[in-house]
Amino acid sequence: DGGITQSPKYLFRKEGQNVTLSCEQNLNHDAMYWYRQDPGQGLRLIYYSQIVNDFQKGDIAEGYSVSREKKESFPLTVTSAQKNPTAFYLCASQNGEGGVTGELFFGEGSRLTVL
Amino acid sequence: GQNIDQPTEMTATEGAIVQINCTYQTSGFNGLFWYQQHAGEAPTFLSYNVLDGLEEKGRFSSFLSRSKGYSYLLLKELQMKDSASYLCAVLDSNYQLIWGAGTKLIIKP
Repeated sequence: DGGITQSPKYLFRKEGQNVTLSCEQNLNHDAMYWYRQDPGQGLRLIYYSQIVNDFQKGDIAEGYSVSREKKESFPLTVTSAQKNPTAFYLCASQNGEGGVTGELFFGEGSRLTVL
Repeated sequence: GQNIDQPTEMTATEGAIVQINCTYQTSGFNGLFWYQQHAGEAPTFLSYNVLDGLEEKGRFSSFLSRSKGYSYLLLKELQMKDSASYLCAVLDSNYQLIWGAGTKLIIKP
């Protein structure tokens, strides 16, 4: 079945450590996104990529980094520079054929807790 | 600034009808989405409106009024499995999605 896979589902990190969240899709979608979700707030865009080897900062990119070496993969690294990294992270993809109005397909999410 | 407003929480009874409102102030408008999100899970797409009017899809309907900056999601014949958060999101003039904080819907027997 086609879909988006995020891993790990739950992750604990000590302060000062970097951690990388995986996002893989087999939907052949061009665009991929990383969002952060905090209680009582809307989804906030961290980074997005419309094409391989290119990505753009979203609204809250500070303390995060990404890469897009393959169409299928868009990993997110939460660095020690991110001051409040505990959150629920969602990866999404979008079919370019649908244009910019295409729906987003989300992964199951990764819950990061900093101890 | 850009803003999406939804009620934080709503309660309804199984079998009843509930309307979840969303008002928005954004720089431009290229469509409005509704997503459903069960606790701890990923959001799933429900509807997309870009023209004024009502779009019906089974038990769920979505309405848009661009002149009023207003949309609602109507859920009929409520079932316990409809207990979830409902997210409203607007595509602005730069084709960026602006998300509301979501409305938590609690269904009681």
